[in-house]
Amino acid sequence: DAGVTQSPTHLIKTRGQQVTLRCSPKSGHDTVSWYQQALGQGPQFIFQYYEEEERQRGNFPDRFSGHQFPNYSSELNVNALLLGDSALYLCASSLAQGLIQETQYFGPGTRLLVL
Amino acid sequence: AQTVTQSQPEMSVQEAETVTLSCTYDTSENNYYLFWYKQPPSRQMILVIRQEAYKQQNATENRFSVNFQKAAKSFSLKISDSQLGDTAMYFCAFTLDYGGSQGNLIFGKGTKLSVKP
Repeated sequence: DAGVTQSPTHLIKTRGQQVTLRCSPKSGHDTVSWYQQALGQGPQFIFQYYEEEERQRGNFPDRFSGHQFPNYSSELNVNALLLGDSALYLCASSLAQGLIQETQYFGPGTRLLVL
Repeated sequence: AQTVTQSQPEMSVQEAETVTLSCTYDTSENNYYLFWYKQPPSRQMILVIRQEAYKQQNATENRFSVNFQKAAKSFSLKISDSQLGDTAMYFCAFTLDYGGSQGNLIFGKGTKLSVKP
């Protein structure tokens, strides 16, 4: 059973550039959430996608955008990169079904360094 | 707004001993879920244990158990018979129960646990 996968594992960009991170959810999952984890901090929620639409959004600027595809995979795009965007970006997947609150399972993350 | 506080930035324990990690949270809602996640140096976030707020019974998973005090808004994690592989960052997390809709997780800042041989 394949878990959550993310690509790439590491990425180096310069200020002002744009970046796209990718996530494939765990088999059977239909919801994808993205988190930013700065060094030494807990993850911060960016947004969540379900049925190809953004369902919830955290306190992040519009430079952060996303997409979910029909196969439930997702992309996170960040435009006009700032030094402060350097972080570990985590993707988590879950299954929305009925009244049961399903647990989110995390991928290994993408380490982004902005120079 | 909901918040999660972990007051112990670092802790250490001898192998085979027991350690308790603390977590408090703040919410005005009544229905929610609490989690402990483990993040080893490999950085993969792994679910350790989960607690539904409507359940009075404390959750247990093998060597891991929680002490959930809803009135005090406290959610501590006890690790028994600590093993070297338990060395990791431990994050306490909270999410509201939207009745089937998966809410976003709110994390504490983490506790770095070192298990010493």
